[in-house]
Order: sequence, then C-alpha cells, then structure tokens
Amino acid sequence: SQTIHQWPATLVQPVGSPLSLECTVEGTSNPNLYWYRQAAGRGLQLLFYSVGIGQISSEVPQNLSASRPQDRQFILSSKKLLLSDSGFYLCAWITRKGEAFFGQGTRLTVV
Amino acid sequence: SQKIEQNSEALNIQEGKTATLTCNYTNYSPAYLQWYRQDPGRGPVFLLLIRENEKEKRKERLKVTFDTTLKQSLFHITASQPADSATYLCALDRNGGSQGNLIFGKGTKLSVKP
Repeated sequence: SQTIHQWPATLVQPVGSPLSLECTVEGTSNPNLYWYRQAAGRGLQLLFYSVGIGQISSEVPQNLSASRPQDRQFILSSKKLLLSDSGFYLCAWITRKGEAFFGQGTRLTVV
Repeated sequence: SQKIEQNSEALNIQEGKTATLTCNYTNYSPAYLQWYRQDPGRGPVFLLLIRENEKEKRKERLKVTFDTTLKQSLFHITASQPADSATYLCALDRNGGSQGNLIFGKGTKLSVKP
C-alpha cells in the first residue's frame, strides 16, 4: 500500500537559521508531490509542486525553496527563516485520480 | 478572481442531526470536487470525490452533491456523532482535472454536541 512520510512533526527554529523538511512516499512511482502551508485561520496554501525528479513549480514568491532529488523524495528548504515562515507544513501526494494523501505535517515555529 | 469559499467557519449541531456544509467556487471549471476531514494537528484525510457529471455521491453516512450551474457543493453527515467533530475542507482541481493542483477552502469546523 502507498504511504507518505513527513518529518519532523514539530520544529522550533530561530530567525535566520536554515530549514530542511523531508517527505518520502512509498508504494508508488513517479508521484506528483506537493508542499502546502496552513497558517492559523487560513486555508491550505499551495507552495510548490513537482511532477518528477528535478522538476519544481513554485506557486508564490517566498523565502522557501523545494527540491526533488529522487523520485519519491521531496524536500522543502530555506536558507534563512523569517518569523512569517511559521506555520503547519504539509506534504501531499496526489494520485492520478486526483485524491490527495497528506503526511502528518510539521508544525514550524520560528522564534 | 478565482475563489473557493466555505461559508461557515464553524457549525454546531446536536448529535443525531444532519450536518450540512457548503462549498462555493467562482471562476473555476473543475473536473471534480473533493471533501477532506482534518483533525487538530493532523493532515487532511480524503473523504469523497465527486465529478462534474455526477450529481450526488454517498459513502456510509456521508453524502456530497455537486451543482456546476450554481458552482456549489453540499456535504452532508447524517445521524451525526461527536466523533464527527473536526474541520472539513473542500478542494477542487484548478486546472480542470490535470496535474492535480488542488486548491482548498479554509474549512468549516464542525462540533457535534452529545
């Protein structure tokens, strides 16, 4: 069966520090992968999506970047975190049928 | 501009009643619309998908309708239980069915009181 793993679950980082969140998928090949951010009182904001290795599409200009080094691995990064980067980050795999399966999420607090 | 809106931020109902949640969209032509459940601190969980050519879809106590003329979907939970308390999100594919670029509403927080 297909599963999606995301870690860490929680993270507290100082302003200006780097960030690396990792997401991996099992049980499927060539998945479409997505990074969303959910801020308090707001909906899920699409940040990046990738349809294959090395292919990244960015939805909004921001302090974050994404990479797809392997078929089933999707990484969200930042060189220098801002306070406004705090939020709940979710990795998702969206199937060809259009159904989304989400990771457990990472609660990032930038202090 | 393109929007997907869930009109109620919160909905409180009594156990056993039917909960009805609304999702409206503008300036999209989605091939399908989906509903998800999200519990606090967790990722959303897929519940139902309804295609543009389907009027209604059911799964156990859940029922979804999709009116492409009104640009609206209704999500019903019949015989609601306290365990149904969660935030429910609607989502649509903004590209009309390709690539799965899902756009989500802000969600409606449902509270079912015993």
